[in-house]
Amino acid sequence: GAVVSQHPSWVICKSGTSVKIECRSLDFQATTMFWYRQFPKQSLMLMATSNEGSKATYEQGVEKDKFLINHASLTLSTLTVTSAHPEDSSFYICSAPKGSGPQHFGDGTRLSIL
Amino acid sequence: GEDVEQSLFLSVREGDSSVINCTYTDSSSTYLYWYKQEPGAGLQLLTYIFSNMDMKQDQRLTVLLNKKDKHLSLRIADTQTGDSAIYFCAEGKTSYDKVIFGPGTSLSVIP
Repeated sequence: GAVVSQHPSWVICKSGTSVKIECRSLDFQATTMFWYRQFPKQSLMLMATSNEGSKATYEQGVEKDKFLINHASLTLSTLTVTSAHPEDSSFYICSAPKGSGPQHFGDGTRLSIL
Repeated sequence: GEDVEQSLFLSVREGDSSVINCTYTDSSSTYLYWYKQEPGAGLQLLTYIFSNMDMKQDQRLTVLLNKKDKHLSLRIADTQTGDSAIYFCAEGKTSYDKVIFGPGTSLSVIP
């Protein structure tokens, strides 16, 4: 079964709305989680690294004030897209490392801003 | 730097073998992955190989790694129409590091 749960799966909302996406590790603790973004017909690009109890590390070109990341517990990281606009419409996916095996990815959140 | 390259398109006939190639630049990558993404869906981890391995086989999938040339390939035997998807090659330094994805290869299987 899934070990990383991402919620919601789909979001459709109006321009200017803030949207929160949750990423949970289900049966393990994750001090680090990663957030990726995938635009249509493109690859996945790392947006930021979420660190439990400290500030997230953002990749170059990603606005930290627009994409707020909170990793307040060892099993939950949230990504809030603030004042979302149509250009923020994308597929957002999180991952969490678990032990020495491959990272576990959530099922992703498809965000559509009207 | 970190970069992963792969061909963008591949078309094969049903029943033939598919070979998707990938090159990467970071010689310190320990984990080398192949993911499958069907239209509108998330990522499915197909297989992965450690950098100290040359080959890994899992049913219809065979992964070959040439560490010297930093070349990775995925062979799908007896390709089926259900294999039509985008295949991403990816690398990671350790299991706790970010995963760097290639651009994806769109595999089309002709009936």
